[in-house]
Parts: sequence; C-alpha cells; structure tokens
Amino acid sequence: GQQLNQSPQSMFIQEGEDVSMNCTSSSIFNTWLWYKQDPGEGPVLLIALYKAGELTSNGRLTAQFGITRKDSFLNISASIPSDVGIYFCAGTGANSKLTFGKGITLSVRP
Amino acid sequence: EAGVAQSPRYKIIEKRQSVAFWCNPISGHATLYWYQQILGQGPKLLIQFQNNGVVDDSQLPKDRFSAERLKGVDSTLKIQPAKLEDSAVYLCASSLWTSGSEQFFGPGTRLTVL
Repeated sequence: GQQLNQSPQSMFIQEGEDVSMNCTSSSIFNTWLWYKQDPGEGPVLLIALYKAGELTSNGRLTAQFGITRKDSFLNISASIPSDVGIYFCAGTGANSKLTFGKGITLSVRP
Repeated sequence: EAGVAQSPRYKIIEKRQSVAFWCNPISGHATLYWYQQILGQGPKLLIQFQNNGVVDDSQLPKDRFSAERLKGVDSTLKIQPAKLEDSAVYLCASSLWTSGSEQFFGPGTRLTVL
C-alpha cells in the first residue's frame, strides 16, 4: 500500500531558527497536505498542494510539491514557541485515500 | 464557520464493553471520515462516507466496529466489544467532496480500554 516516510521522529531547534521537514513516498501522489497537531487536538491543515512543482506559502510556512511527485517539504522560518507540535505530511495517490506519515515532533527552545 | 464537532472528548471503558462516538461535520461537507490514531502514529482511515453511503470501509474491523451516517449529516462510530488494542484517539474529519479534497478534523475522542 501507499506509505509516507517522515524522519527524524523528533527535531529540536532554537527559537528564531528556520527548520525544514521532508516527506517521501515510494509511489506517486496527486495531492500533498501538511497538518499540525497539538496535544489533545485534531490535526489542523496548514498547506495543501495540488500540482507537481507547486510552491505555496502560509505566513512563515512554505511547502513544495516535489517534481517527481514522490516527495514534499515543509519549511518553517523564524520559529516561535507556538510552532511546537507534531507535523504530519499526508497525500492522496491513485486510490484517492489520504495516507499520513508518522509525524515529526518539533520542539522549540526559547 | 463552526468546525467538526465530536463527543465525548474522553472515554474510559473496560474490555468487552461497548462504546459509541458521535461526529457532526462542517455544514455542507458531503464527505465524512473516521480515523483511528494510535499513539505515535499518523491517523489511519477506518471508514469514509459520501452523504449517507459508504465509500470505503476496507480498513474497518467489521467484526467489532460499525458506523452509520443515516441522514447524511451526523455520524456515529461504535465498537462492540472493545479490546485493549482499541485504545486510541478516534478522529472525525469532513471535506466538501471526495477525492484529493482538503480534510478538516475534529478534536477527537480519546478512548482508553482497560
């Protein structure tokens, strides 16, 4: 089945730093979505990507849909303490089912 | 615009008991999803409804799990009887239409089976 790989499992950065997260797949995806989940809450959609090569920004967040359609990255610039949380990539492939990665836990040191 | 509502937020039961979760999607969203999220994992789709019809229930353990969306709006997910491995967060999501569409999640119900 479709699988998405996110690593590392955890990232630790200093407040004000930029951070980049990558998500890869062994199969082609048609849509890439990035979600953030805070403790005790459901995932919140950050950015949606629909076309290979697409680069989209949402405030300090920028995400790209890889040209090969097998990867995507999310960049957070000038991190702040409220960026702490779990970041999931998700995508839909040929079966139109949304598949999630295992998530990356981001910690921001003040 | 109100988001996806879920209740209860927390539930603790003993194994072999039954439990039900409720979801009210965003108004106008035709597609509703139930996901299971085990600690340390991403959400895993259990069942997808388009209006009141099931689109995909291939990953629903049908011997113990059931779900319905009778009037194409609210939905309930039931587990009977519960097992220890059912301990997880159960997330409901909705989207305007089916394929490739952005999904919006509720806060989830955290189930603990003792």
